[in-house]
Amino acid sequence: KQEVTQIPAALSVPEGENLVLNCSFTDSAIYNLQWFRQDPGKGLTSLLLIQSSQREQTSGRLNASLDKSSGRSTLYIAASQPGDSATYLCAVRPNTNAGKSTFGDGTTLTVKP
Amino acid sequence: DAGVIQSPRHEVTEMGQEVTLRCKPISGHNSLFWYRQTMMRGLELLIYFNNNVPIDDSGMPEDRFSAKMPNASFSTLKIQPSEPRDSAVYFCASSAQSGLGYTFGSGTRLTVV
Repeated sequence: KQEVTQIPAALSVPEGENLVLNCSFTDSAIYNLQWFRQDPGKGLTSLLLIQSSQREQTSGRLNASLDKSSGRSTLYIAASQPGDSATYLCAVRPNTNAGKSTFGDGTTLTVKP
Repeated sequence: DAGVIQSPRHEVTEMGQEVTLRCKPISGHNSLFWYRQTMMRGLELLIYFNNNVPIDDSGMPEDRFSAKMPNASFSTLKIQPSEPRDSAVYFCASSAQSGLGYTFGSGTRLTVV
């Protein structure tokens, strides 16, 4: 059974810092890994999707990496801003493609002005 | 595309009443997922469908919960009778089997009093 862990559960940084959020998974037989952002009281917004054959994806100040062999993904946020404050979740989809993803519990990020 | 559309956005009902949540997935997406999110338990997968067929309903908490997908553009999650412990945000998500990742709806916030 796939297990997805996100550490730390909460992170607070001053504005302008670069930061890394971690996602670990136990079964490397994955189809893709997806990072989401959730603002309080809102739904999940997809940030980046990495296919199993890819090593990283970039969107603006965000960069996500994937290392299947070690069961790890990182989400790098450059030059953090108060508007980046949210909960970030990763989801791992099994290599059956049609299967259900396993979500981590998320890291709640606070960026202080 | 309007994204995944859920209705209603908010629902307040009395214990014992029947509640029906609705979801319209993104056109062309083959998979549909129902999730429940609470502070205590995080994001829980209740059931998912592939090509309108329920694949895994092991997350459905009990017989009071039922879900249907009569066609590719519509799904319902029904709770009958509702209980206060069913209070949560219920999300619907859809995905194409091409592996493009999940798209979530904005959720239905259910309060059972």
